[in-house]
Amino acid sequence: DTGVSQNPRHKITKRGQNVTFRCDPISEHNRLYWYRQTLGQGPEFLTYFQNEAQLEKSRLLSDRFSAERPKGSFSTLEIQRTEQGDSAMYLCASSFRGQLNTEAFFGQGTRLTVV
Amino acid sequence: AQSVAQPEDQVNVAEGNPLTVKCTYSVSGNPYLFWYVQYPNRGLQFLLKYITGDNLVKGSYGFEAEFNKSQTSFHLKKPSALVSDSALYFCAVRDIRDSGTYKYIFGTGTRLKVLA
Repeated sequence: DTGVSQNPRHKITKRGQNVTFRCDPISEHNRLYWYRQTLGQGPEFLTYFQNEAQLEKSRLLSDRFSAERPKGSFSTLEIQRTEQGDSAMYLCASSFRGQLNTEAFFGQGTRLTVV
Repeated sequence: AQSVAQPEDQVNVAEGNPLTVKCTYSVSGNPYLFWYVQYPNRGLQFLLKYITGDNLVKGSYGFEAEFNKSQTSFHLKKPSALVSDSALYFCAVRDIRDSGTYKYIFGTGTRLKVLA
């Protein structure tokens, strides 16, 4: 499969627990993005990486959120001390830094439910 | 600041009729514009993009979009709707003059319902 892969697809956790999501981008893509989508809303930008460097973070990314891309390949998004407001679909996307006009390709997302 | 507006939460159209899903944008420079479609419990699938050139862009599944710089719009169109086109559609923009960022800004989405 040459698409963007996200795991797990679904996660139910109790409030206060930590969760970690993984994203495997398309192999030749060096840009990787995390977005959050709540019900009835469009995807909201969280952060993006170029190779292993985290170049931009949204104000939505509170101190409880951390993202890494240690070897410039897969990425993880961790949420510490989850809150009910963290319940959302977390989307990962990747794109190729070859041209400025490239589109991003999205994974199927991880749906987080905090109970 | 970049922004995208999708003024319609839902669009209903009869199967076989033409459809239009509206999008307007605001950027400081020239925009890169994209349309994505989302089916239930799925990620976003790329449909088409406008970068430069011909204002009418053709994409996947028979969709096309018309870029109108004076009206700052990028409406999605299809000549003949299918029931299978029923989904959530998102318009997105990236400002090519803002070289410090490569993020895509999405609209709130328009739910398209094609009635048999």
